[in-house]
Amino acid sequence: KQEVTQIPAALSVPEGENLVLNCSFTDSAIYNLQWFRQDPGKGLTSLLLIQSSQREQTSGRLNASLDKSSGRSTLYIAASQPGDSATYLCAAPSGGSYIPTFGRGTSLIVHP
Amino acid sequence: DGGITQSPKYLFRKEGQNVTLSCEQNLNHDAMYWYRQDPGQGLRLIYYSQIVNDFQKGDIAEGYSVSREKKESFPLTVTSAQKNPTAFYLCASSIARGTDTQYFGPGTRLTVL
Repeated sequence: KQEVTQIPAALSVPEGENLVLNCSFTDSAIYNLQWFRQDPGKGLTSLLLIQSSQREQTSGRLNASLDKSSGRSTLYIAASQPGDSATYLCAAPSGGSYIPTFGRGTSLIVHP
Repeated sequence: DGGITQSPKYLFRKEGQNVTLSCEQNLNHDAMYWYRQDPGQGLRLIYYSQIVNDFQKGDIAEGYSVSREKKESFPLTVTSAQKNPTAFYLCASSIARGTDTQYFGPGTRLTVL
C-alpha cells in the first residue's frame, strides 16, 4: 500500500524567498504524481501533474520534479508571495492503481 | 462554467440521523470520488465510481453509502452507523481512470451535534 510523506509539515518564510517542498512515496510503480493547493476551508486545486515518463513539470513560478527510482518529488516555488500561503498536498497512486494516496500536506505561510 | 458543485457547504446532524451530501459535475467525467479530511490528516478515500451504476469501496467505507445513477451525480449518504462523522467531505472527478488530473469540489463540512 502506498504511503506518502511530506516534509516539512509547516513552513514560514519571508516574501521573495525561493522554497522547496518535499514529497516521498514508498511504491515507485506509479502512473503519475500530483501536487495540489488547498486554502483553508476550501477544496483542492490541481497545480501540476507529472506523468511517470516525465521528470518535471512547470507552471509559472512552480516547478515540480519526479524521481521514481528514489521515490521522491519536489515542488519548487520561486519568488514566494503572500498569496502563496496555503497547504500543499502531494498525491501518488499505488502500483497498478490509479487511485491517489495523499500526503498530509505542508502548511506554508509567506509573510510580507 | 464547468466544474464540481457540492451542497450544502455546512451540514449539522443529530446523532442517529442519516444525511446525504450532494456532488454534481458538468465536466463529462467518468470517474468520481468521495474523500474525508480530518484536521492535520491527508485525504482518505471513502468510495469511488468509474462508471454509471458501478462503484467500489475505498479505505474507510464503513458507515457510508453511495449511488451513481447518473454520470453527473455521485451523492454520499452518511449513515447512523458511522461512529465519528464530523469531518470535511470532498468530492472529486477525473476524465477516466489512469493518468488524469483530479478536480475537486468546494467541500461540505459535516458536524454532528
